Amino acid sequence: EAQVTQNPRYLITVTGKKLTVTCSQNMNHEYMSWYRQDPGLGLRQIYYSMNVEVTDKGDVPEGYKVSRKEKRNFPLILESPSPNQTSLYFCASSPGQGPNQPQHFGDGTRLSIL
Amino acid sequence: KNEVEQSPQNLTAQEGEFITINCSYSVGISALHWLQQHPGGGIVSLFMLSSGKKKHGRLIATINIQEKHSSLHITASHPRDSAVYICAAGGGADGLTFGKGTHLIIQP
Repeated sequence: EAQVTQNPRYLITVTGKKLTVTCSQNMNHEYMSWYRQDPGLGLRQIYYSMNVEVTDKGDVPEGYKVSRKEKRNFPLILESPSPNQTSLYFCASSPGQGPNQPQHFGDGTRLSIL
Repeated sequence: KNEVEQSPQNLTAQEGEFITINCSYSVGISALHWLQQHPGGGIVSLFMLSSGKKKHGRLIATINIQEKHSSLHITASHPRDSAVYICAAGGGADGLTFGKGTHLIIQP
């Protein structure tokens, strides 16, 4: 089954404790991205990757890092999490870049930073 | 940058009613997506449109490129249709710009 898998689904942690949210897709998609979703705001892109070893900032990249060492995986790293990063996070993938691509989303990761 | 507006923000209807959710955008695009998000669940892609109309089961999506407007219709609505519906629009090499979502509740 084609899917985008995120882990963990839920995490409560404290300010400053490094954490990683993993994302994996099994569709051999080139394009992957991370979004955050906050009440009253639409989904906002954090980072994206057009292919292995090619990543770029989205609209709200501050406080986040990503890597793309393999095509299927695109982890989101919070080196020193802060309370303003409490949010619902989604990983997404598509065959290529651009809006004319079908989008596949993960189930979301709810992060609470105390 | 594109601005994407959805209306209404919230909609409560009775089972069986015909539902319409609207999406307007400010800049010409090459594709518009309709997404569905169930409470506590992930996001599922319903439609990707660049012109005209698409239908899948009880769901119909239309787009008017000249008026920069798209609608999502649900016929014979059912409580299981209760979800947040999100439109997202993009053009060229730009990423997608997302609307804030429409929270739909269908009461039995």
